[in-house]
Amino acid sequence: EVQLQESGPGLVKPSQSLSLTCSVTGYSITSNYWGWIRKFPGNKMEWMGYISYSGSTSYNPSLKSRISITRDTSKNQFFLQLNSVTTEDTATYYCARYVYTTDYYGGYFDYWGQGVMVTVSS
Amino acid sequence: DIQMTQSPASLSASLGETVSIECLASEDIYNNLAWYQQKPGKSPQLLIYYASSLQDGVPSRFSGSGSGTQYSLKINSLESEDAATYFCLQDSEYPPTFGGGTKLELK
Repeated sequence: EVQLQESGPGLVKPSQSLSLTCSVTGYSITSNYWGWIRKFPGNKMEWMGYISYSGSTSYNPSLKSRISITRDTSKNQFFLQLNSVTTEDTATYYCARYVYTTDYYGGYFDYWGQGVMVTVSS
Repeated sequence: DIQMTQSPASLSASLGETVSIECLASEDIYNNLAWYQQKPGKSPQLLIYYASSLQDGVPSRFSGSGSGTQYSLKINSLESEDAATYFCLQDSEYPPTFGGGTKLELK
């Protein structure tokens, strides 16, 4: 079974970088796409970006200058780095597998991690 | 970005009832819509994709319908385990965007 698990610090200071790891078991990250999504207090959700099976990336334009998603295929992990964080980046961060289909040129996230809550505070 | 307006924000229903949750897109999303269920402290679970396709393992009391800009999730014969937050996701246009969520409470 495909399983994803986020890890990383739960507290980050303003202006610093947020770094999270998503460890995947049961499936290779060299297939499909692998994304990061966050859920803010109040339940609004935002797609942050993803990394493809080939290592190419796509980011939400709202974050483009601050975000980086990378991977380590030898460990079957992918990573999120968000720079220059503010209190508005306080959220629960999820990693998820994204399935893209040419049946209708779209897709969905089918497996998600449990999420990690990150607070930005001094 | 495509705006997804989800309603209602919350609802309360009794066991055995049927409920519907709606997502209205700001433009045509060509059925490129998924529905999720999330319980507190748990990861989101995919229920429906491509507006009406039932994900493997999801009970048949869940169904999705709609087209164009209007979509709905219907839950028949509510069971206690259906108490959760439900949300929609459109992937027709970059970037993918989410509905605001509907919290379903069982009376």
